Amino acid sequence: EIVLTQSPGTLSLSPGERATLSCRASQSVSSSSLAWYQQKPGQTPRLLIYGASRRATGIPDRFSGSESGTDFTLTISRLEPEDFAVYYCQQYGFSPLTFGGGTKVEIK
Amino acid sequence: EVQLLESGGGLVQPGGSLRLSCSASGFNFNNYALNWVRQAPGKGLQWVSAIHASGASTFYADSAKGRFTISRDNSKNMLYLQMNSLRAEDTAIYYCAKGGSSGTYYMDYWGQGTLVTVSS
Repeated sequence: EIVLTQSPGTLSLSPGERATLSCRASQSVSSSSLAWYQQKPGQTPRLLIYGASRRATGIPDRFSGSESGTDFTLTISRLEPEDFAVYYCQQYGFSPLTFGGGTKVEIK
Repeated sequence: EVQLLESGGGLVQPGGSLRLSCSASGFNFNNYALNWVRQAPGKGLQWVSAIHASGASTFYADSAKGRFTISRDNSKNMLYLQMNSLRAEDTAIYYCAKGGSSGTYYMDYWGQGTLVTVSS
């Protein structure tokens, strides 16, 4: 099973700042098969990024994803008030599919 | 517009069974894999099971193997999860989620979820 470790657990930032979220895989993820989701309290998860770096339909370009080996990064270039939420990474290259534990981005 | 609507959740005693359903619309159901993902109260997301577009292949988390069975009816645009031998730790919101393009298993649309509570 591929274990995804997200860091930090909580990120305290102000609107307008840059957010950098990390997701480290315990082994190679097949064909960049990594996605990022955003979840706000009381809402269902929303797909942001798939294929490690491809933005999903309707996702603003302030969200970007990158990969370097087994390290994946979600960057929010300038935080908007609606971006404060929990973010999860997920690998879908191998079964069992796995999610990271999440990073909460909170208002400082 | 893609819509996924789960049903079948509820309160069940430990050791009991439930069958979750997910009704889908707004996309060519036959062409996409489907997933069940759960979220325990106050916790993160946990993938449970997935099924290929044709239904020919199924996949399970270790926690679901031997107890849960995923299936689909492509003639009715329906996804199912039969859950047996339920435990307290299965208590969660269960989401149905559509797979992505080209048969991939990322999740581009999610239902609102159905709550399963396992308690005596």
